[in-house]
Amino acid sequence: AQSVTQLDSQVPVFEEAPVELRCNYSSSVSVYLFWYVQYPNQGLQLLLKYLSGSTLVKGINGFEAEFNKSQTSFHLRKPSVHISDTAEYFCAVIRASGSARQLTFGSGTQLTVLP
Amino acid sequence: KAGVTQTPRYLIKTRGQQVTLSCSPISGHRSVSWYQQTPGQGLQFLFEYFSETQRNKGNFPGRFSGRQFSNSRSEMNVSTLELGDSALYLCASSWTSGGPNTGELFFGEGSRLTVL
Repeated sequence: AQSVTQLDSQVPVFEEAPVELRCNYSSSVSVYLFWYVQYPNQGLQLLLKYLSGSTLVKGINGFEAEFNKSQTSFHLRKPSVHISDTAEYFCAVIRASGSARQLTFGSGTQLTVLP
Repeated sequence: KAGVTQTPRYLIKTRGQQVTLSCSPISGHRSVSWYQQTPGQGLQFLFEYFSETQRNKGNFPGRFSGRQFSNSRSEMNVSTLELGDSALYLCASSWTSGGPNTGELFFGEGSRLTVL
C-alpha cells in the first residue's frame, strides 16, 4: 500500500515571498506523483504530475515540484506567491502499474497568502 | 467542453434516510471515481467505475454503493445514513481506467451532504 505525508497542515506566507509545501510518500513499488489544488467551495484541480523522466516538473500557475527518489519526497514550490494562491494543496500517489489502482491523497496543506 | 457536473450541490438528510448523488463526467471520459472528503479523514476513495463495471472499491461499508450507466454518468447511494456520513462527496472522471495517465483526474465541485 502507498501512503502520503504532508508535513505542514498550515503554511502562512506573505505575498511575493517564495513557498515550499512538503510531501513525503511511502511505497514498495514505483509510483506516479501528483499535486492537486482545491480552492474554497470547489473540487480539486491538477497542478502538476510526475510520471517519469526529468525529476523537476513544472505545472500551472507557476508551480513546480521536484521528485527525489532517495528521500521519497515530492515537494511543491513557487518562487513568488499571490493572494490568489490561497487554497488547500494535496499531494497524491498512485501505483505505476497493476490493476485496481486509485489515488492516495495526503491530508492537505492550507496555504494562506497574506497581503 | 463542460466539466464534471455533480448534483445536488447541497443537501440535508436525517439519520436513517438514504441519499443518491449524481455525477456527469466530461464528455468522452469513461472512468468515474468517487471520493469522500471530511475534515477528520481527508480524501478517501470510495469506488471507481469504468464502462459500467466497478473496477475498484475502497474500504467503506456496504451502505455505500454506486453504479454507472451506458452514457458514463454515475450515481452513488448511501443507505441508512449516519451522522458520520456528513461530508463533501467528490466525483472525478478520466479517460481510462489504468494506463500511464491514471491519476490525472478531473473533479466536480462536489455534493455537500449534511446528516442531522
